[in-house]
Amino acid sequence: QLQLQESGPGLVKPSETLSLTCTVSGGSISSSTYYWGWIRQPPGKGLEWIATIYFSGSTYYNPPLKSRVTISIETSKNQFSLKMSSVTAADTAVYFCARHSCSSVNCPFDPWGQGTLVTVSS
Amino acid sequence: QSALTQPASVSGSPGQSITISCTGTSSDVGSYNLVSWYQQHADKAPKLMISEVSKRPSGVSNRFSGSKSGNTASLTISGLQAEDEADYYCCSSTSSTTLVFGGGTKLTVL
Repeated sequence: QLQLQESGPGLVKPSETLSLTCTVSGGSISSSTYYWGWIRQPPGKGLEWIATIYFSGSTYYNPPLKSRVTISIETSKNQFSLKMSSVTAADTAVYFCARHSCSSVNCPFDPWGQGTLVTVSS
Repeated sequence: QSALTQPASVSGSPGQSITISCTGTSSDVGSYNLVSWYQQHADKAPKLMISEVSKRPSGVSNRFSGSKSGNTASLTISGLQAEDEADYYCCSSTSSTTLVFGGGTKLTVL
């Protein structure tokens, strides 16, 4: 059974870079069948797609966030990562990693990781 | 790109049916049969309930169904049960390479 687990600092200072990693178990991140993505949810608010990556390195970004976000993949570790620069309090959110259920960025997310709360504060 | 529009809340009694709407534009919901729906219980990760407008993943109850007309997609839950109380989110492709979520709808089972 495929499982995803987010990890990274729970507290980041304003203007610094947020870095998160998603470790995939129970399946290979190098599979040509799936894409992998990040989604976030500010406290008490809705979901926002951030970025998606394919094992080949192809990347897709939400336009409003594109200038600050980098998604990358490390197939040898079965992990993919998210970096978001110049963070502000508005970036405080639960960050989820998830697998797209087929080989397109348009495929739905299934399954999801449990999520990790990142707070931006000095 | 703006979030898709969902009602903030809906409610229904056990056994009843409810419908949650998800309104977009001709650039997203109206252009692609790629609307998905997610259920999120409090402090949990979202769970996929419907993909490609009306397809139910394995294991999802047939009480959940999806449809689309023009720029509006809908999720219908029949035979409401207490366990259905959760937040529901729609999601649509906005081009071949981008996605947008709805603002979410809180379902209360009375």
